[in-house]
Amino acid sequence: LAKTTQPISMDSYEGQEVNITCSHNNIATNDYITWYQQFPSQGPRFIIQGYKTKVTNEVASLFIPADRKSSTLSLPRVSLSDTAVYYCLVGDLDDYKLSFGAGTTVTVRA
Amino acid sequence: DVKVTQSSRYLVKRTGEKVFLECVQDMDHENMFWYRQDPGLGLRLIYFSYDVKMKEKGDIPEGYSVSREKKERFSLILESASTNQTSMYLCASSPESYEQYFGPGTRLTVT
Repeated sequence: LAKTTQPISMDSYEGQEVNITCSHNNIATNDYITWYQQFPSQGPRFIIQGYKTKVTNEVASLFIPADRKSSTLSLPRVSLSDTAVYYCLVGDLDDYKLSFGAGTTVTVRA
Repeated sequence: DVKVTQSSRYLVKRTGEKVFLECVQDMDHENMFWYRQDPGLGLRLIYFSYDVKMKEKGDIPEGYSVSREKKERFSLILESASTNQTSMYLCASSPESYEQYFGPGTRLTVT
């Protein structure tokens, strides 16, 4: 499993864009990058997954540079309800042993 | 919507008791997982199952066992609960390993 490093916490204000960068220097050729979101007292929820370049869905965008040694989750125009812990995962799609790590706690203030 | 349910939201047990945590999913997923979550440590995989009666150890299987007799149900068993097993336990299921659907969690306290 590729080891990931992400900031412990980030603060933002409503309406701003939040970018969380995850480092994964030893990412393997077959590895994908996946992000989960966890609200207090709930289990994590899948947000987005990508292999290279850019992926966008209704919730977020994922930017992956050509060397794939890092990735950035972008949350556009956050609201108070986006306050959560965000986890970056890297691994082969056939690998069941996911490593969630401690995640990044994002706090959105009014 | 995928639904993963866990038998209890909160559970209090005494040291040495046998504890059963039940998880049921309604989407016919092949894979099911048990994690524990502790402050500062993120989620750690205890066991997972990729088919009925099949199981594999995760990162921290010591002190736990699992049972999967039916596809929709995956049970976590603490044979003799200890205080260091006080934690939040999360069950998940998935059709593919990377899009997992989690239950609400069981907060277990062992006194």
